[in-house]
Amino acid sequence: AQSVTQLDSQVPVFEEAPVELRCNYSSSVSVYLFWYVQYPNQGLQLLLKYLSGSTLVKGINGFEAEFNKSQTSFHLRKPSVHISDTAEYFCAVNNQAGTALIFGKGTTLSVSS
Amino acid sequence: GAVVSQHPSWVICKSGTSVKIECRSLDFQATTMFWYRQFPKQSLMLMATSNEGSKATYEQGVEKDKFLINHASLTLSTLTVTSAHPEDSSFYICSASGLLTESSYEQYFGPGTRLTVT
Repeated sequence: AQSVTQLDSQVPVFEEAPVELRCNYSSSVSVYLFWYVQYPNQGLQLLLKYLSGSTLVKGINGFEAEFNKSQTSFHLRKPSVHISDTAEYFCAVNNQAGTALIFGKGTTLSVSS
Repeated sequence: GAVVSQHPSWVICKSGTSVKIECRSLDFQATTMFWYRQFPKQSLMLMATSNEGSKATYEQGVEKDKFLINHASLTLSTLTVTSAHPEDSSFYICSASGLLTESSYEQYFGPGTRLTVT
């Protein structure tokens, strides 16, 4: 069975500081990994995804993530955050076409000035 | 990219009534649609998976007679909350995957429907 662990429930940072949101997964087979962002009272927006190829994945809004198979991690990073990045971030995994994504519990990123 | 819409975006209903939520894939054929429920400050909980033309598969603990799911076409799935009660108040989100998406591993999410039962 697959599972996703987001190690930090809340991450407070100051504007223009770098940030890393951690995600670890467990699966006995190859996985496909996703990061989504959710703003208040809105649906999910895909930030980036790893399906195959380069382990460093670049997404929207300046975010990137690195797939590390040996550490079973897919941490999300941004070198300089903005106030507008304040939102809930979800890591998700899938290993079979046509099946639902398995989500982590989410990390609340709070950016202050 | 692939777009999924939901209607209504928010609804308030009285206890005991039924509410129907629509999920549409606008520019692709969704062979599989998923319904999630999200409580405040929590993650998404999968309620059921539906494939076009067949009965939905419900997750353990989800009452199939209360949450009726229909996936009658490749672009439309509906979730009907029957005899709604205040504890059914939540944010309901659908997602879809299928033909013409980059990968069938990927899902496209609707904007969600906020249900409040009074």
